[in-house]
Amino acid sequence: DSGVTQTPKHLITATGQRVTLRCSPRSGDLSVYWYQQSLDQGLQFLIHYYNGEERAKGNILERFSAQQFPDLHSELNLSSLELGDSALYFCASSAGPDYGYTFGSGTRLTVV
Amino acid sequence: GDSVTQMEGPVTLSEEAFLTINCTYTATGYPSLFWYVQYPGEGLQLLLKATKADDKGSNKGFEATYRKETTSFHLEKGSVQVSDSAVYFCALIHTGNQFYFGTGTSLTVIP
Repeated sequence: DSGVTQTPKHLITATGQRVTLRCSPRSGDLSVYWYQQSLDQGLQFLIHYYNGEERAKGNILERFSAQQFPDLHSELNLSSLELGDSALYFCASSAGPDYGYTFGSGTRLTVV
Repeated sequence: GDSVTQMEGPVTLSEEAFLTINCTYTATGYPSLFWYVQYPGEGLQLLLKATKADDKGSNKGFEATYRKETTSFHLEKGSVQVSDSAVYFCALIHTGNQFYFGTGTSLTVIP
């Protein structure tokens, strides 16, 4: 157990639907990062939150949004889902740049 | 901008063979460098890291040395095992606390 908890582990949904992925960071970590991993795109950085504030955005679609709550857990909202959104979505937390990331085990999203 | 380039796979080795996975980076200044490993069906796990030039990171028999002169951080292991079969990612972190990952190198070790 890495200390980063992601739920659900698997999600199957239809095109056009909306889903919410949840992440609880490791205790004490203020930073949360979201990544998308697909076979053809590799690991794509989506967004970074630090202590509730958005710090950086990567290749995140406008249909996707995220937030970090006062208890530091984060949610990634994916809407108007398309088949191409099928991927593994990872959350990671960090105590600082020299410590690296701690990754959760991911949520596998399948859009049918 | 910052980026990481690592050798493409897949790599297939026999057990006890020597492993090298090349990684080079582009960044201004002095980034911290990392290797992550992803076993099938799991998330990425930190394997080793180096935070300044000439540092050597090591863990579980794997080693990598931060070479600023060649902007490289190659991963090596002297004798691989079947259990080392996984995907390996080189990464750097610099300003802004954002990680830049390489595309990953798949390693399969056969008995």
